[in-house]
Amino acid sequence: ILNVEQSPQSLHVQEGDSTNFTCSFPSSNFYALHWYRWETAKSPEALFVMTLNGDEKKKGRISATLNTKEGYSYLYIKGSQPEDSATYLCALMDTGRRALTFGSGTRLQVQP
Amino acid sequence: NAGVTQTPKFRILKIGQSMTLQCAQDMNHNYMYWYRQDPGMGLKLIYYSVGAGITDKGEVPNGYNVSRSTTEDFPLRLELAAPSQTSVYFCASSYVAGGGNQPQHFGDGTRLSIL
Repeated sequence: ILNVEQSPQSLHVQEGDSTNFTCSFPSSNFYALHWYRWETAKSPEALFVMTLNGDEKKKGRISATLNTKEGYSYLYIKGSQPEDSATYLCALMDTGRRALTFGSGTRLQVQP
Repeated sequence: NAGVTQTPKFRILKIGQSMTLQCAQDMNHNYMYWYRQDPGMGLKLIYYSVGAGITDKGEVPNGYNVSRSTTEDFPLRLELAAPSQTSVYFCASSYVAGGGNQPQHFGDGTRLSIL
């Protein structure tokens, strides 16, 4: 069973602030690392799928990096907006089942 | 674009009752999954399927059963509902082939309360 830790649990920032959160994992024995954005009362929505050490992905103001050697991935949001308020989930896909093991998420609230 | 469709959206059951949560996808995905989400916890895998006729247990399968008779449908059955099964249930699907790295697509969830 894969182990995934996310920090912080929650974060309050002001509109315009840039922020980042961490997904850490003790073992790099996984197939891929996924980031999802989950708004209240909606379904999780995929942001990024990353597989290689050193991978960097970007979508608008959101970007992510992966360091499998040191066991972490960072998600960055530049110039946070109220619509960025959501829970951000990190998950590892195992090599056999191709199923995801999720962290408990980082809940972001952006104040206007 | 329907994607992954779950029904019902909400349900209240009495202890000991049974029910089936429906999940259908129209994206021709081979893999399908059921997760449950408890407050303060991450999503936990209940069962998954790699194709029609093939299912396997995830981390928390006790009290649940699944079947996959078609590529499109992956129902989850609760036989004897217990209060511990009060949760939000998510169905997901993805296309897995070779070295492809596709994300999972989630349904809107079923909120289930057992009283």
